[in-house]
Amino acid sequence: AQSVTQPDIHITVSEGASLELRCNYSYGATPYLFWYVQSPGQGLQLLLKYFSGDTLVQGIKGFEAEFKRSQSSFNLRKPSVHWSDAAEYFCAVGSYSGGGADGLTFGKGTHLIIQP
Amino acid sequence: ETGVTQSPTHLIKTRGQQVTLRCSSQSGHNTVSWYQQALGQGPQFIFQYYREEENGRGNFPPRFSGLQFPNYSSELNVNALELDDSALYLCASSQRISRDYGYTFGSGTRLTVV
Repeated sequence: AQSVTQPDIHITVSEGASLELRCNYSYGATPYLFWYVQSPGQGLQLLLKYFSGDTLVQGIKGFEAEFKRSQSSFNLRKPSVHWSDAAEYFCAVGSYSGGGADGLTFGKGTHLIIQP
Repeated sequence: ETGVTQSPTHLIKTRGQQVTLRCSSQSGHNTVSWYQQALGQGPQFIFQYYREEENGRGNFPPRFSGLQFPNYSSELNVNALELDDSALYLCASSQRISRDYGYTFGSGTRLTVV
């Protein structure tokens, strides 16, 4: 069974500082990996996704993530955070069989707080 | 292109009642999946519908059921509501037969069971 671990429940970062959110996954085959962001009371917005190819993936809002198979990790990074980045961040793993894509397995999320 | 829309946005039900939540998929998408997000938790996969049939299910009891219609919209039905069913229910649509798949999520329905 696939699983996702986000070790940090809360992270506090000063505005303008760099950010790294950790994500570790467990999956038997090549995973499909996603990062989503959720503002309070809202749905999920896709930041970026990885299927194959270049292990460094660029997303929206200046975010990037690096897939490291040897570490089973897919950490999210941003060089300089803005106050508007304060939100809940979810890492998710999916699978793709011959019949198509299946449901996603999410981590429990990391709550990002931005200090002025 | 239109996004995923869910209705209603909020709902209060009594324990033991039944509820129906609705979802309209994004234009061009043929697959709908449903997720339950309890407070402070990540979303959990309930099930997925493709070509009007259930095509994958998470660890949820049979009292959680669904439908998909020819226009790819979907309903989630929950019978015999329990207090623990209180959560944000998220609908997501995707284009199933695509390796470059991604899920577009709606804003959710907040269900409170009292």
